[in-house]
Amino acid sequence: ETGVTQSPTHLIKTRGQQVTLRCSSQSGHNTVSWYQQALGQGPQFIFQYYREEENGRGNFPPRFSGLQFPNYSSELNVNALELDDSALYLCASSVRTGQGASPLHFGNGTRLTVT
Amino acid sequence: GDSVTQMEGPVTLSEEAFLTINCTYTATGYPSLFWYVQYPGEGLQLLLKATKADDKGSNKGFEATYRKETTSFHLEKGSVQVSDSAVYFCASWRGSQGNLIFGKGTKLSVKP
Repeated sequence: ETGVTQSPTHLIKTRGQQVTLRCSSQSGHNTVSWYQQALGQGPQFIFQYYREEENGRGNFPPRFSGLQFPNYSSELNVNALELDDSALYLCASSVRTGQGASPLHFGNGTRLTVT
Repeated sequence: GDSVTQMEGPVTLSEEAFLTINCTYTATGYPSLFWYVQYPGEGLQLLLKATKADDKGSNKGFEATYRKETTSFHLEKGSVQVSDSAVYFCASWRGSQGNLIFGKGTKLSVKP
């Protein structure tokens, strides 16, 4: 089975710019979550998408937004980049059913550096 | 609010030594608990999980038991290998939002 794939792997942006990160979920998975992992820290939940709608959000400002497409792939958009946005951004997919959700499967992440 | 606390690293061990990484959680109710591992330059891989009290998760020689009395989920391995060198994250599942809450991670280095 195809795992979670993210692109690009690395990205360098300037403060104030906008960035789009992409994620293809694992085959058969209908839910996508995004996490931010700052250097030396654990991942922090940004938001989750299910049936193309945001379905849960962590403590991140509105300049962090996302999309989920009919094929369950997803984008994370960050506007007005700040230096503190420099981090590893992880995408995770899972299957949600009436009985709950499966464990999350993570991609290798996109390393974003804001200068 | 919900949180996960794990022992700070780094932890350096010799090959074949015994490993314990402590993890405690605070939560409303009894969340599912997980250990994830992150190798250099990679994302997170699920190592093991437990969904209810007294459950023991195990995988690749690693074990962790869900203890509701002590709200703990300590990771153990009887004999570590150099290939176990990685960062280990303890996490709890917050069902109300459908997300994982992670600890800060513990870096393990195993020397030959």
